[in-house]
Amino acid sequence: EIVLTQSPGTLSLSPGERVTLSCRASQSLSASYLAWYQHKPGQAPRLLIYGSSTRATGIPDRFSGSGSGTDFTLTISRLEPEDSAVYYCQQYGGAFGPGTKVEIK
Amino acid sequence: EVQLVESGGGVVQPGGSLRLSCAASGITFSSFSMHWVRQTPGKGLEYVLGISGNGGSTNYGKSVRGRFTISRDNFKKMVYLQMGSLRVEDMGVYYCAKGESDYPRPYQLDSWGQGTLVTVSS
Repeated sequence: EIVLTQSPGTLSLSPGERVTLSCRASQSLSASYLAWYQHKPGQAPRLLIYGSSTRATGIPDRFSGSGSGTDFTLTISRLEPEDSAVYYCQQYGGAFGPGTKVEIK
Repeated sequence: EVQLVESGGGVVQPGGSLRLSCAASGITFSSFSMHWVRQTPGKGLEYVLGISGNGGSTNYGKSVRGRFTISRDNFKKMVYLQMGSLRVEDMGVYYCAKGESDYPRPYQLDSWGQGTLVTVSS
């Protein structure tokens, strides 16, 4: 069983800053097997990235994904106030990481 | 536009049962797997169960095997989550989500409903 861990647990940043979120797998994962989601309170989760680096439909280009093997990254190039949310990585088969909360100062 | 609308949430006693429903529109329903994901209080997202497009195969998450089952009606474009032997730790918001293909193990979940709240309390 592959376990996903995410770091940091919480981030507090100012608008305009660059954000880097980490997702680490306990064993090597195919890049096709990793997706990222954004979840805001009271809303449905939203698919951001699939296949490690492909943006889902309608996702702004300030969101990007990268990585391979056991280390994957979600980057927000310029943080916007509406990006305040919890971000989850997910592996093939469904299991999620514990999430990273992004707060806007 | 894909729309997924969950219903059936409510208050149930520990040990009780509940059936959640999800109505889909805007997709060729039988071409896609469907899944349930939950968020329990103070915790993150947890994958619960998925079912293939034709309903013949399922994919279980870690914590509900033997207590929860999933089914679908492709004519009605509905997916169901039958929950039994409910525990306090099953309490949370349950989301219906669409897989990217008809296989029960998803690469990603590309459309989600707004969720339905399940409360387990005596």
